[in-house]
Amino acid sequence: DAGVIQSPRHEVTEMGQEVTLRCKPISGHNSLFWYRQTMMRGLELLIYFNNNVPIDDSGMPEDRFSAKMPNASFSTLKIQPSEPRDSAVYFCASSPWTANTEAFFGQGTRLTVV
Amino acid sequence: GQQLNQSPQSMFIQEGEDVSMNCTSSSIFNTWLWYKQDPGEGPVLLIALYKAGELTSNGRLTAQFGITRKDSFLNISASIPSDVGIYFCSGNTPLVFGKGTRLSVIA
Repeated sequence: DAGVIQSPRHEVTEMGQEVTLRCKPISGHNSLFWYRQTMMRGLELLIYFNNNVPIDDSGMPEDRFSAKMPNASFSTLKIQPSEPRDSAVYFCASSPWTANTEAFFGQGTRLTVV
Repeated sequence: GQQLNQSPQSMFIQEGEDVSMNCTSSSIFNTWLWYKQDPGEGPVLLIALYKAGELTSNGRLTAQFGITRKDSFLNISASIPSDVGIYFCSGNTPLVFGKGTRLSVIA
């Protein structure tokens, strides 16, 4: 199995631009999570989906952030407009089911907003 | 919300030494998971614990699920240079993470 696949690995963009991060979860996994990692705040859960349905988006910092999961094999996290404080590493993770189980992480997308 | 406190924040040890780190939560956890993150990579699961009191080993790693269900520890025996990285505790649904313990091993 290829594991969780994220793209791009690195993204540098100018403030105000739209950024779209992509994720392909492990086949057969029912839950998908988006995390943001910074030195100051560590790993923060932004949103998670179960069976393609958003369950909890309370971690999404602002309306500038949105996430979709149109099917079981694809999810996007969009930031529009981007700001320098959005610079971080964004991880996508998937798990076989939601309750009490381990999540498998992708390699992350390092976003730099200048 | 749920908070996880990991300690120590960082450790510098000599190769061959044993390492111990722990994690406490402000609320009861039903699962405890320990992850390791290498530079430029995503966290990778090391050990999963599902029962209070459970003690589980994975090679040189040993982890325990505290009886109170509010804490867990991870031990690494006979550390080697490739143990360098950040170790995270996590748990519950969806997973919440501690801030991590950064381990450095001096050869």
